[in-house]
Amino acid sequence: DSGVTQTPKHLITATGQRVTLRCSPRSGDLSVYWYQQSLDQGLQFLIQYYNGEERAKGNILERFSAQQFPDLHSELNLSSLELGDSALYFCASSVWGQEGEKLFFGSGTQLSVL
Amino acid sequence: SQQGEEDPQALSIQEGENATMNCSYKTSINNLQWYRQNSGRGLVHLILIRSNEREKHSGRLRVTLDTSKKSSSLLITASRAADTASYFCATDETGGGNKLTFGTGTQLKVEL
Repeated sequence: DSGVTQTPKHLITATGQRVTLRCSPRSGDLSVYWYQQSLDQGLQFLIQYYNGEERAKGNILERFSAQQFPDLHSELNLSSLELGDSALYFCASSVWGQEGEKLFFGSGTQLSVL
Repeated sequence: SQQGEEDPQALSIQEGENATMNCSYKTSINNLQWYRQNSGRGLVHLILIRSNEREKHSGRLRVTLDTSKKSSSLLITASRAADTASYFCATDETGGGNKLTFGTGTQLKVEL
C-alpha cells in the first residue's frame, strides 16, 4: 500500500459527460501528480500541484482541469468526455530524498467512456 | 510525449534466469528511475540512479547508466514468478520542471 488513495476505482460513463476523480496523497506529502495511462499513449504526465498551487503542466487537454485543496487532496475533472479519454488515471505524491524525488502512486481510476 | 523507449517490449524467461531491460532517452537528465507495475495497479518505485552514477545495486536489482549513450539497463537476477510485471524507466529531465517522463515499458513474464 503506497498510502495514496484514489476514488473511485472504476468509472463507466457516456460520451459528453463530466466526471471527477479524487486523490488523497500520503500523509505529509505536499505534491500531487496526475498521470494518464492508455494503451496507445503510454503513461502521460498531465499536471502537478504543490501545496495548492499548480507547479507543472504536461499533456493535459483543455477539457480537463484539476485543483488541490487546502487539505491537500486533489481532484481531476474531465468534461465533454470522448471515447479516447478511456484510460487509467493515476495520481501520485512524492518524497524528496538525498538522491532526488520519488513518486508514490495510487491504485488508479479506470475510466471507461462508452 | 515519451522520453524513454524501452527494449524489449516484452520478455519471457524461466524462473531463476536473469532478466535485462534497456531504456534509451533523449535529453539531459538529473536522474533516472525504474518503476514496476503489476497488471492494472499503480507503479512502485524500485531504484533511482543519479546522472553522475554509473551503476547501482538494490537486492536482486542492478541498474547501469551511460549518459554518453543516453541509455540505462535494469538487470533482475535470479528471477521469480512474482517478478512478472511491467517495468518502466522514468527520467527527471534537466530543466524539465518537476515531473518524471516515463518510457514505454517492458512486460516481463517469469514462468515456473
